[in-house]
Amino acid sequence: QVQVVQSGAEVKKPGASVKVYCKASGYIFTSYAMHWVRQAPGQRLEWMGWINTGNDNTKYSQNFQGRVTITRDPSASTAYMELSSLRSEDTAVYYCAREAFSGNYCSYMDVWGKGTTVTVSS
Amino acid sequence: IVLTQSPATLSLSPGERATLSCRASQSVSSNLAWYQQKPGQAPRLLIYDASKRATGIPARFSGSGSGTDFTLTISSLESEDFAVYYCQQRSNWPPITFGQGTRLEIK
Repeated sequence: QVQVVQSGAEVKKPGASVKVYCKASGYIFTSYAMHWVRQAPGQRLEWMGWINTGNDNTKYSQNFQGRVTITRDPSASTAYMELSSLRSEDTAVYYCAREAFSGNYCSYMDVWGKGTTVTVSS
Repeated sequence: IVLTQSPATLSLSPGERATLSCRASQSVSSNLAWYQQKPGQAPRLLIYDASKRATGIPARFSGSGSGTDFTLTISSLESEDFAVYYCQQRSNWPPITFGQGTRLEIK
């Protein structure tokens, strides 16, 4: 079945970086883009960025001021999200979510990972 | 584009009709989706392009609207429908944005 599986929970100190992976299965990885979305405790969903898994093109939310980098490894059907210069406000659940339409569009998200909890604490 | 959802909380009983609203700060045409999120779970896509049901979504869920005003309607609430609902727009991205959510709770 179509699914995306994320890496496990992380605890990081302020100023550090975190890299979360998202392994896809059950479909052709390079035919669908991948989104990254986070949710701080009790807060709304926040879109972080998107990668065209076919050609490596990326788009990011300006809210992260260059701190986020999304990459992919087609040979492993895996996407990665790295967030640097972590601060306490980055404590959240981070989700990868497959784009709903093939052809590497950017629209909606139809298959979600279970989320990766990232805790930033000194 | 800012999405504002109302009400923040909606208290209804099973079998009742639920009407959730989402208003965009500028026109998003029909480029709007609705998601359902239960505690401790990832969101689930319910409606896309304002009115199209995603695969496997029951017919009691329907979406309407275009431009700046959108509605998600659940025709007859079932126990598993009590959750938080988010709208999301994809017009003029990046960024994609979400509303702040409406909590649908059992009365």
